[in-house]
Amino acid sequence: ETGVTQSPTHLIKTRGQQVTLRCSSQSGHNTVSWYQQALGQGPQFIFQYYREEENGRGNFPPRFSGLQFPNYSSELNVNALELDDSALYLCASSPEPYSNQPQHFGDGTRLSIL
Amino acid sequence: DAKTTQPPSMDCAEGRAANLPCNHSTISGNEYVYWYRQIHSQGPQYIIHGLKNNETNEMASLIITEDRKSSTLILPHATLRDTAVYYCIVRVLEGGATNKLIFGTGTLLAVQP
Repeated sequence: ETGVTQSPTHLIKTRGQQVTLRCSSQSGHNTVSWYQQALGQGPQFIFQYYREEENGRGNFPPRFSGLQFPNYSSELNVNALELDDSALYLCASSPEPYSNQPQHFGDGTRLSIL
Repeated sequence: DAKTTQPPSMDCAEGRAANLPCNHSTISGNEYVYWYRQIHSQGPQYIIHGLKNNETNEMASLIITEDRKSSTLILPHATLRDTAVYYCIVRVLEGGATNKLIFGTGTLLAVQP
């Protein structure tokens, strides 16, 4: 069983740039959630994708957007990067959005904004 | 806001049981309690979850009080590799479809040799 994989593992960008992060869900999982984890804090929910559509969103501005593909993999796009966007970005997959089965996380992408 | 409260840190001697408490006094009847842990520079790792009955798996045991307002995660024989931040989470289902985890700041468990 293949777990959740994310790429790249590390990324450095400058303010104002755009970034795309990628996530492959665990085998058999059709729901993908994205979280942002600032240093010293717990992960914060960004949004969730199910059936290629956004299925819920946290308190993040529209410059955070995403996609889900027919193979259930997903992308997180962030435009107009700000210094506060520096964080660990985590992807988690689960079998169904309303399932009680747990979400499983990848090891994240560490994004640094200069 | 997180629906759980946990102590910020705990120590445990290697080989002893680690008992991590969590309060979730506003939990609703159909909300599950999940435990994850996060070792430095890795993603959160799922440990165990439950609704109202006690649960046990190969990693840990979860004891939920009868009123469901609190729970305890038990690592029966802690090792140095169990040093991590442990998160107790009440999963929120919104609109019957969105399944999001609301993390607090967790408990930093330090296992001492």
